[in-house]
Amino acid sequence: DAGVTQSPTHLIKTRGQHVTLRCSPISGHKSVSWYQQVLGQGPQFIFQYYEKEERGRGNFPDRFSARQFPNYSSELNVNALLLGDSALYLCASSLYWVGEQFFGPGTRLTVL
Amino acid sequence: ELKVEQNPLFLSMQEGKNYTIYCNYSTTSDRLYWYRQDPGKSLESLFVLLSNGAVKQEGRLMASLDTKARLSTLHITAAVHDLSATYFCAVDKETSGSRLTFGEGTQLTVNP
Repeated sequence: DAGVTQSPTHLIKTRGQHVTLRCSPISGHKSVSWYQQVLGQGPQFIFQYYEKEERGRGNFPDRFSARQFPNYSSELNVNALLLGDSALYLCASSLYWVGEQFFGPGTRLTVL
Repeated sequence: ELKVEQNPLFLSMQEGKNYTIYCNYSTTSDRLYWYRQDPGKSLESLFVLLSNGAVKQEGRLMASLDTKARLSTLHITAAVHDLSATYFCAVDKETSGSRLTFGEGTQLTVNP
């Protein structure tokens, strides 16, 4: 069975640009969460979506937004990119709103 | 605010030696997780600990949980070079969904 998939694997953008990251959960999982991991730190929670509704938001500015589609896949959007947005973005899925999460391979975003 | 602290943050050890990584968390949590991360890679789940006194072992790694002390330990027995990686602990609370709060990570280097 396929695990969590993310695309693209790597991305290079310049300051001020916009980026969209994509995530497909494990089949049957209804919840998707997004995390940002800056080099040398632990992952930080950005959003959780369950049944297409936002159910949790971390301490990130409004430049960060996300949505979940009817097939439970998800997009993370970041506007007006800053150098500090350079990070590994991890997507995780779980069956329900609570429960163990399973992580995808991540998208490495570099902002120049 | 839930906080998770790990120590040590950096650990250099010789092959064949034993050592313990500690993970403290600030408020009552429902589950505690240990993950391994290789450079540039995503998170690999090692253990999920659910209840006080829980102990799990896989190969040279053993994790335990003391919910009263809000402490988990990851014990490494007879370390080998392949265990070199960064290890994270993380906790969640069902009132916050699947949202994980991570520690800073322990960068383990096992020297021959």
